[in-house]
Amino acid sequence: EDKVVQSPLSLVVHEGDTVTLNCSYEVTNFRSLLWYKQEKKAPTFLFMLTSSGIEKKSGRLSSILDKKELFSILNITATQTGDSAIYLCAVEALYGNKLVFGAGTILRVKS
Amino acid sequence: NAGVMQNPRHLVRRRGQEARLRCSPMKGHSHVYWYRQLPEEGLKFMVYLQKENIIDESGMPKERFSAEFPKEGPSILRIQQVVRGDSAAYFCASSPLTGSPEAFFGQGTRLTVV
Repeated sequence: EDKVVQSPLSLVVHEGDTVTLNCSYEVTNFRSLLWYKQEKKAPTFLFMLTSSGIEKKSGRLSSILDKKELFSILNITATQTGDSAIYLCAVEALYGNKLVFGAGTILRVKS
Repeated sequence: NAGVMQNPRHLVRRRGQEARLRCSPMKGHSHVYWYRQLPEEGLKFMVYLQKENIIDESGMPKERFSAEFPKEGPSILRIQQVVRGDSAAYFCASSPLTGSPEAFFGQGTRLTVV
């Protein structure tokens, strides 16, 4: 059965800190890994990763995938209170159109 | 271009009643997915539909749950004879014709069964 495990489950940091969120996975015929940010509403798409070692960046957020070790990390630098959210990692298998989600990491940034 | 629209945003049902959740995908999207999110859990896949076809319903409970995506109109997730354990947030997502995994999510419907 396909599985996604995220760590830590929750994290509290101060503004300006850098955080690293982890996502490990087991999936048959891996196709892509996606990161979403969920506040009190719809999950919003952050990154899609398909190739190992290629970093994707968007402002203070960046992510990278390691297909050999089956994990991905999401980095947030110079955190702000607006970064407080649940960060979800999901994987898609090659022959399915569904996403398998991890339980998420709850990030709280204190001012 | 409006995003994925779900309604209602909040739905309260008594045990034994029926719940109908609606989802209108983004314009140009013909793939619809339904996910359920229980408190402190990640989203769990329920069903994947294209117009007039159920492609994958491996995440749907065998009884009381059904989904459709008719040729015209929104996709409907129907839960008959609701029980307290059905209380959750139900999210709909859509993706374009090419089946990109970069699904766009709606705001969700929070179902509360009392």
